[in-house]
Amino acid sequence: DVKVTQSSRYLVKRTGEKVFLECVQDMDHENMFWYRQDPGLGLRLIYFSYDVKMKEKGDIPEGYSVSREKKERFSLILESASTNQTSMYLCASSLYPSSTGELFFGEGSRLTVL
Amino acid sequence: GQNIDQPTEMTATEGAIVQINCTYQTSGFNGLFWYQQHAGEAPTFLSYNVLDGLEEKGRFSSFLSRSKGYSYLLLKELQMKDSASYLCALPGDTPLVFGKGTRLSVIA
Repeated sequence: DVKVTQSSRYLVKRTGEKVFLECVQDMDHENMFWYRQDPGLGLRLIYFSYDVKMKEKGDIPEGYSVSREKKERFSLILESASTNQTSMYLCASSLYPSSTGELFFGEGSRLTVL
Repeated sequence: GQNIDQPTEMTATEGAIVQINCTYQTSGFNGLFWYQQHAGEAPTFLSYNVLDGLEEKGRFSSFLSRSKGYSYLLLKELQMKDSASYLCALPGDTPLVFGKGTRLSVIA
């Protein structure tokens, strides 16, 4: 079974703090993604990566950055957390590119910024 | 780009059949996905349709009409555990774009 592991299920941070959300997958997938999920807005794509060292902006990249130093690990970074970044963050990976590839999601990281 | 529309909420009775609709506009069609998400959990894959017609998988079926920009998910013999959000999603120029999801409540 594919396993996508997110480092923290729940985090509480202060405004202005730097926040790291870690994601690791164990199936040698090329493609990894970060989404955030908010009530009434659904899942929105923040960043994605189709290869090591490669990153592409999604629909809402402002206020975020990412790092993909190793194939299995894709990190989301909030350089200076703000209250409007309080959300559920979901990491996903896939074997194939998005046009045909089923996404495998992690359990999510619920971030609260005070 | 893509535009996806789903009803926000639905309620159905245990043992019944429910149909969850998804309408979409897209500049280039590459298939349509359905995912299920229980409250507090990650989305999980249900189905992928790329050709017109109905695909059946146990109690769940998914239908696609490309000419109408329309899909539905059909759940038969509803069980309480089917209470979840159902997400319609389209691949596009960037990775999967999700609809806002339909929250289904199954009542006794």
